[in-house]
Amino acid sequence: RKEVEQDPGPFNVPEGATVAFNCTYSNSASQSFFWYRQDCRKEPKLLMSVYSSGNEDGRFTAQLNRASQYISLLIRDSKLSDSATYLCVVRDYGQNFVFGPGTRLSVLP
Amino acid sequence: EPEVTQTPSHQVTQMGQEVILRCVPISNHLYFYWYRQILGQKVEFLVSFYNNEISEKSEIFDDQFSVERPDGSNFTLKIRSTKLEDSAMYFCASRGDNTDTQYFGPGTRLTVL
Repeated sequence: RKEVEQDPGPFNVPEGATVAFNCTYSNSASQSFFWYRQDCRKEPKLLMSVYSSGNEDGRFTAQLNRASQYISLLIRDSKLSDSATYLCVVRDYGQNFVFGPGTRLSVLP
Repeated sequence: EPEVTQTPSHQVTQMGQEVILRCVPISNHLYFYWYRQILGQKVEFLVSFYNNEISEKSEIFDDQFSVERPDGSNFTLKIRSTKLEDSAMYFCASRGDNTDTQYFGPGTRLTVL
């Protein structure tokens, strides 16, 4: 049973495009939700936390639907520097943070 | 900006040898984690540590693994007898109290020959 699932990717988009990533999680008791980005052979870095009310940070918008156990990330006006793997992360009860497999994004000139 | 550091950046060892991976979490953080990522695969939780003891561990974290906070700054992961399948990136992370945000170190690449 996969606890956190994401779009398999890769996504190849032109600069300036809008791209959306989807994530679902299996544990309805999950408490906190995050999007991280990971560059090749680097550590994951927090992009944004995800709140039930939805949140936006510049070109990035995250949404959470607890009833559907679904999380999304929207990137507008994509830049070459957005090329990375985007990781959906869910915190279960306790200290366990569960990572999704990631969706790779390549923004093309 | 404070950051998590890890040493070494790359460790090569022979199968059956013991390795110790070292991490220095952010100084006022209370929760510490080890994760591993096999090349091309997802990040996998190994263990969490709080108040000088393990708070949770995954199925991967078997008797070959141990963690320790030997002093006020270091947090170590020991693998007693390495196997080929232990080859991976090992990431340390820490977080403060009253926050869910984890900060990751740059990782140690472990290669078992």
